[in-house]
Amino acid sequence: GIQVEQSPPDLILQEGANSTLRCNFSDSVNNLQWFHQNPWGQLINLFYIPSGTKQNGRLSATTVATERYSLLYISSSQTTDSGVYFCAVELVSTLGRLYFGRGTQLTVWP
Amino acid sequence: DAGITQSPRHKVTETGTPVTLRCHQTENHRYMYWYRQDPGHGLRLIHYSYGVKDTDKGEVSDGYSVSRSKTEDFLLTLESATSSQTSVYFCAISESRVDGYTFGSGTRLTVV
Repeated sequence: GIQVEQSPPDLILQEGANSTLRCNFSDSVNNLQWFHQNPWGQLINLFYIPSGTKQNGRLSATTVATERYSLLYISSSQTTDSGVYFCAVELVSTLGRLYFGRGTQLTVWP
Repeated sequence: DAGITQSPRHKVTETGTPVTLRCHQTENHRYMYWYRQDPGHGLRLIHYSYGVKDTDKGEVSDGYSVSRSKTEDFLLTLESATSSQTSVYFCAISESRVDGYTFGSGTRLTVV
């Protein structure tokens, strides 16, 4: 079956620390996105990144499609970064359907 | 996000009753999606639409039906609600399949 695995499942950081979140997927990817779900439940799209590298402020993401993984980097973390980070993929074998991983729960302490 | 709204935001209903959730967009995006989010399962796709009157099933479509008679509206119907359908339901839109999704604020549905 389709596998989208995220690690670590939980991450606790002090404000100012850097972190790397990983997403492994089981097949060639047509679409890959990273989302942040804040403590109020709102889902925010961070990156659309089926391949390559993108940066947006303190966040950056890299997808190595040939090796079937993506990384989300958070630098100089802030308390507002807390929440759940989801990786979601649309595989070539499942066109039209974006499958979500189970997420990484990030807690940033002041 | 102002371009996508879900209604109602909260609903409590009784087992066996029909329920319809509405997703409305002002972005004129072609693709619309319904997901449910449950603890331990993350977000799972229920149904999606790739145009007016064009819909397809997702991974957890049993017990749900959808309709899209206009570009801006995508309706999710639970024909006969069950307790297992208690969940938070999210609608999402995208301009194309190879594009980022924008999610609505969600509808918290409780079936008692």
